[in-house]
Amino acid sequence: EAGVTQSPTHLIKTRGQQATLRCSPISGHTSVYWYQQALGLGLQFLLWYDEGEERNRGNFPPRFSGRQFPNYCSELNVTALALEDSALYLCASSGGGTLAKNIQYFGAGTRLSV
Amino acid sequence: AQKVTQAQTEISVVEKEDVTLDCVYETRDTTYYLFWYKQPPSGELVFLIRRNSFDEQNEISGRYSWNFQKSTSSFNFTITASQVVDSAVYFCALMDSNYQLIWGAGTKLIIKP
Repeated sequence: EAGVTQSPTHLIKTRGQQATLRCSPISGHTSVYWYQQALGLGLQFLLWYDEGEERNRGNFPPRFSGRQFPNYCSELNVTALALEDSALYLCASSGGGTLAKNIQYFGAGTRLSV
Repeated sequence: AQKVTQAQTEISVVEKEDVTLDCVYETRDTTYYLFWYKQPPSGELVFLIRRNSFDEQNEISGRYSWNFQKSTSSFNFTITASQVVDSAVYFCALMDSNYQLIWGAGTKLIIKP
């Protein structure tokens, strides 16, 4: 069974540009989570999508946005890139529904360099 | 407030030594879940264990064991007879009632041959 896959592996952008990161969840999983792991700042929750809807959002500016497609894949978009956006972006997926199902399985991440 | 504290920033031991990673949490929820994840240098977070708040039994999986104590709000992780491949950053996390994971800062474990 394929795990969570993220693309691209690395992304190099310049300040002010836009970045699009992609995530394919484990087959059968309906929830997708996005995290930012910047150097020295640990894991910061960005967004949670379930069944195509945004369910929760972390403390990030609106230029961080995303969406979930009908096939449960997800995109994270970051506009007006700033130097401090340089980080490893991790995507995780889980079965939707009750808390009891919610083990999050992670992809290998996209390393964004601005 | 929900919080997870991993006070050990970095631990370095020699191979075959036992090592314990500490995790202390704060929550007002009566139902919650605790997790441990491993992040090797490749970057991918690997799920190790989930424990719910009603199950205080210790868990053993091979060389790994976990000690959950509600009385001290701790969920510690012990690696017995450590190996070089255990070198990684280990994260403890708490899932709140909004399905959000609250992460500790991580403990970097270095196993020297």
